[in-house]
Formats: sequence, C-alpha cells, structure tokens
Amino acid sequence: ILNVEQSPQSLHVQEGDSTNFTCSFPSSNFYALHWYRWETAKSPEALFVMTLNGDEKKKGRISATLNTKEGYSYLYIKGSQPEDSATYLCAFEGTSYDKVIFGPGTSLSVIP
Amino acid sequence: NAGVTQTPKFRVLKTGQSMTLLCAQDMNHEYMYWYRQDPGMGLRLIHYSVGEGTTAKGEVPDGYNVSRLKKQNFLLGLESAAPSQTSVYFCASSPNTEAFFGQGTRLTVV
Repeated sequence: ILNVEQSPQSLHVQEGDSTNFTCSFPSSNFYALHWYRWETAKSPEALFVMTLNGDEKKKGRISATLNTKEGYSYLYIKGSQPEDSATYLCAFEGTSYDKVIFGPGTSLSVIP
Repeated sequence: NAGVTQTPKFRVLKTGQSMTLLCAQDMNHEYMYWYRQDPGMGLRLIHYSVGEGTTAKGEVPDGYNVSRLKKQNFLLGLESAAPSQTSVYFCASSPNTEAFFGQGTRLTVV
C-alpha cells in the first residue's frame, strides 16, 4: 500500500512570515512528485512537477525541493500573504503504478 | 478550451436513489480519475481509467461504478446512494504526469 504523508496537517502563520511543509513518499519506484495548491471551493491547481533528485523549482515566492533517495519534498513560501491561504497537496507518481497518489494536504492560513 | 468539465456542480439525493456524474475533457488525455474529497482526509481515488474502454478500481471503489466508453468522457455512477457518499467529487485527467482537475461536484445524500 502506497503511503504519501504531509506534515503538518495545518499551519497558521502571520503575514510576512516564511513557512515550509513536508511531503513524504515511497523512495522506490519514483517517477514524479507533484505539488498542487487547492483553495476551498475550487479545483486544485498544479504548482510544480519534480522528477529528478535534487530538483529545485520556484514560482514567485513559492519554491520546492526534492529528495528522491530519502523520499521527501519540501515546499517553501517566502513572505506569506493572505492570498497564499490554501491547502497544499503533494502527489506521488511511481514507475510501477498508473495512477497518482495524493497526500492528505497541509492547510495553510495566513493571518493579516 | 474548456479543460475538464464536471456536471452537475451540486446535487442532493435521497438514500437509495441513483445518479451519474459526468466528467468531460477536451485535451485528448488518456488517463482520467474520479476522486472524493472529505474533510481531513484529502483526495481519495475512487476509480480511474488509463484509456478508452478501460477502468480500474482505486482506493475507495465500493458503491461506485464507472464507464469510459469514449476517450473524452468518464462517468461515475452511484447505483444506490448512501449518506456515507456525501462528499465533494473531483474528476481529473492527465496526459501522463500532471493532472488537470474539474471544478468539483458537491453531492449530499439525505
């Protein structure tokens, strides 16, 4: 059974704070790791697709790193803004499986 | 380009009623998925399809059936709705890696 975990489950930060959270996934049969941003009552939108160990991706104030050998990815948000409030999902895609397994998400609330 | 479209957006069912949710994508993607999202549980895969005419069970398939008669459409059926199926349902399609999600269907079973 594949297990994709995210921590923390929820996070509250002050506007301007930087924050990060973790996605843990199986370290074997890795193909890609996806990060999504999901606002309440909207569909998840894709942030990053990461495929190589050591990958670092950046989109504005959001960045992500990938360690496939130990099976984790970090998502960083620099200078959090209220509009960053959302649930951040990661999803593992393995070489042996024809589907993507989502983690439960980290719910971020940025307090003005 | 419409992307992934789910219909209906909202529905209230009585216990025991049946219904079909439709997912349509116009991106010629091979892979399509149906997820349900419940508070505190994240997305859970119900069924998926790797191509026209194929379907497979996901993590929580009980109580649901699916069909993929045409590449662009993936139907999710509830034969006899139960209150435990109250949830938000998301459809997604994928060319291989990145997934594109529909807007969700909020289903309430009373």
